[in-house]
Parts: sequence; structure tokens; C-alpha cells
Amino acid sequence: EDQVTQSPEALRLQEGESSSLNCSYTVSGLRGLFWYRQDPGKGPEFLFTLYSAGEEKEKERLKATLTKKESFLHITAPKPEDSATYLCAVQAGAGANNLFFGTGTRLTVIP
Amino acid sequence: ETGVTQSPTHLIKTRGQQVTLRCSSQSGHNTVSWYQQALGQGPQFIFQYYREEENGRGNFPPRFSGLQFPNYSSELNVNALELDDSALYLCASSRTDNEQFFGPGTRLTVL
Repeated sequence: EDQVTQSPEALRLQEGESSSLNCSYTVSGLRGLFWYRQDPGKGPEFLFTLYSAGEEKEKERLKATLTKKESFLHITAPKPEDSATYLCAVQAGAGANNLFFGTGTRLTVIP
Repeated sequence: ETGVTQSPTHLIKTRGQQVTLRCSSQSGHNTVSWYQQALGQGPQFIFQYYREEENGRGNFPPRFSGLQFPNYSSELNVNALELDDSALYLCASSRTDNEQFFGPGTRLTVL
């Protein structure tokens, strides 16, 4: 059965304190791994797609990496506006192109 | 380019009633997926529509049904509402196998 586990569940950082969020997955036939950011009461906002081990993508203070078993979202010198829940999702196997989500990491950046 | 829109924003229903939620997909997108997100959880896949046909379904009972229209907009219908149906309902649109872009969601409360 497909499984996506995100850690930690919650993370508090001081402004400027870099850290990483983890997404480990067990799926049959990974087709893509997706990172989203979600603010309270709103829909997820697309950040990155990674397709193969070794791939990396960057956007402003965020960098996503992928191995065969996990993905990391690195946050460099975070600002308070980076506070949100970060969701990881996988697309796997043949058939429908649905996303299978983890439960997210709730990030709080303190000024 | 208009993003994904959903209506209504909030909805309060009582147990046993029926509800219809609506979604307009992003311009150029032909695939719509619906997700249910309970508080503190990641979104769970309900079903997906491609060219007006259901293209995959998650682990949800038949009282969850949907439609996609020729302009690729979509509806989610839920019959015989239960208390556990209270959640944020998210619609996402995409071009076939590409990234899914989410709308702001509809918050459904069942009393």
C-alpha cells in the first residue's frame, strides 16, 4: 500500500534559521513527487514537481531534492511569511493521476 | 489566466441533506480532481474527471458523485450527508498528467 510520511509534524524556527522538512515514501512505480504550501483555510499552492532520484529544484528560499526513498524541502534563511503547512504528495502506478498526500509539516517562523 | 475557482466558499448543512459543490478549472486544463481535507490531515482523493468521464476514484462511497461539463468545469455531489463529511473540499485542475493546481476550497459543515 502507498505510504507518505512527513516529519516533523510541526517545526518552529527563528527568522534566518535554516532547516529541512522530510517526506519519506513507499510507493509502487513513482511517477512524480510534489510539494505544496498551504495557508490556513486555503487551497494548496503548487511549489515543485520532482520526477527522478537526484533531481533538485529551487525557488527563492526553498530547495527540493529527491532520492529513491525520500524528498527534502530545504528552507534557507526563512522569513515569517514562509509560515505555512508544507504538504508532500506522490503520483504513482498506472491509472488515474491522483495525488496521495502526507499529513504535512506545519512551519512557524518567528521574527 | 484565471485560476481555479470554487463555489460556495462556506456551506452549512444538516445530516441527511444533499449538497452540490462547483469548480471552474484553470484555462487550458482538461482534467479535474476532487479532494476532501479533514482538519489537520492531508487532502484525500475522491475522484477525477477527464473529458467528462470519471477517470479514477478513491475510497469514497457511491453517495459521493460528480460531473464534468464540456467546458471542463465540474460538480461534486454528496447525498445523505453525515457528520464526518464536514471538511474542506478541494478541486484541482490539470492538463492530463501535469501538475495539479488547487482552488481555494469549499468549507462544508454538517450539523
